[in-house]
Amino acid sequence: VIWMTQSPSLLSASTGDRVTISCRMSQGISSYLAWYQQKPGKAPELLIYAASTLQSGVPSRFSGSGSGTDFTLTISCLQSEDFATYYCQQYYSFPWTFGQGTKVEIK
Amino acid sequence: EVQLVESGGGLVQPGGSLRLSCAASGFTVSSNYMSWVRQAPGKGLEWVSVIYSGGSTYYADSVKGRFTISRDNSKNTLYLQMNSLRAEDTAVYYCAREREGGQGIDYWGQGTLVTVSS
Repeated sequence: VIWMTQSPSLLSASTGDRVTISCRMSQGISSYLAWYQQKPGKAPELLIYAASTLQSGVPSRFSGSGSGTDFTLTISCLQSEDFATYYCQQYYSFPWTFGQGTKVEIK
Repeated sequence: EVQLVESGGGLVQPGGSLRLSCAASGFTVSSNYMSWVRQAPGKGLEWVSVIYSGGSTYYADSVKGRFTISRDNSKNTLYLQMNSLRAEDTAVYYCAREREGGQGIDYWGQGTLVTVSS
């Protein structure tokens, strides 16, 4: 099993801020990582796949980086609609696993 | 337009069984990797199972031997048969379509709530 450590669990920020979320793996997964955004009462939405490829329709202020064991999701200029919970997911090996989530709240 | 509509959730006693269905439209289930993901109340996401287009299936350790993923190509529908249910299986269950090659989930259903309680 690949263990994932996502941090921070809670991030307080203001509109316009640059924010970064980290996801660290217990072993290397190449670039087999996705990032999702979830708003309360809704299904998650795919933001990034293959660690750094932006899903169609996702604003360019979202970006992903990393490979191997360390990955980062960056929101370059936080907008009001970005306050949500973010999850990373590895699909390198079974069982596929999600990070614990990062809630981005208004400061 | 791609749509996934789950059904079959509800209240079930510990040890009981339930079958979830996911009716798909706008694409062919059998040509895609399809997953089930669940989320316990107030908790994070947990991957449950996937079925590949070729028919291979994989499960989370927490459900292996109790849950079975399957599909009916004629109905373009995905299923999750859940047996020996436990309180810790209580969650919203999402049906999901994987991007080509299993690179993340690009479409999700609205979710169906399963509550395991006496």
